[in-house]
Amino acid sequence: GNSVTQMEGPVTLSEEAFLTINCTYTATGYPSLFWYVQYPGEGLQLLLKATKADDKGSNKGFEATYRKETTSFHLEKGSVQVSDSAVYFCALRSNAGNMLTFGGGTRLMVKP
Amino acid sequence: EAGVAQSPRYKIIEKRQSVAFWCNPISGHATLYWYQQILGQGPKLLIQFQNNGVVDDSQLPKDRFSAERLKGVDSTLKIQPAKLEDSAVYLCASSLLGNEQFFGPGTRLTVL
Repeated sequence: GNSVTQMEGPVTLSEEAFLTINCTYTATGYPSLFWYVQYPGEGLQLLLKATKADDKGSNKGFEATYRKETTSFHLEKGSVQVSDSAVYFCALRSNAGNMLTFGGGTRLMVKP
Repeated sequence: EAGVAQSPRYKIIEKRQSVAFWCNPISGHATLYWYQQILGQGPKLLIQFQNNGVVDDSQLPKDRFSAERLKGVDSTLKIQPAKLEDSAVYLCASSLLGNEQFFGPGTRLTVL
């Protein structure tokens, strides 16, 4: 079946540091890949997505590239801010339906 | 545009009691999802509705969980009787067919 594995947190960084959160997946076919963010006390929000190999999703300074050869979709940001502190979830959607499979989440804490 | 509404936001019950959660999706969204998010884990799909019909309920513990979406709009998720391991955040999401899922703020259930 489908599965998503992402690095465990918490990840603690200083403001303006470079961020990488690793995500790898197992799926049949050609899934779409997503990063969701969950700010404290709020619901999940879509951060970015990529629907085919070599696509790069980007939003709010965050980027992730769909790497089929390594089955990865790592999240990166060049300079994090305190407001980026949240839990980040990697997810995939199989091409057979709209069901999402999520990773376990990675908590990011950014200190001023 | 109003987002996905859920109530209550918090619920504390004792084991073997019953509980119900309510979700009102974004207007016009035919697809509705219920997810269970256990602390420290990613959301897991429990059931997916298309209008008032069930598309996927393969991960719903049917001996104690039930869900309905009468009239294809609002939905309720019920647990009867609750167990300690049901403590989690229950997320509702909605989407247009095959499109991005929008999540509500969730209901945090604590079973004592």
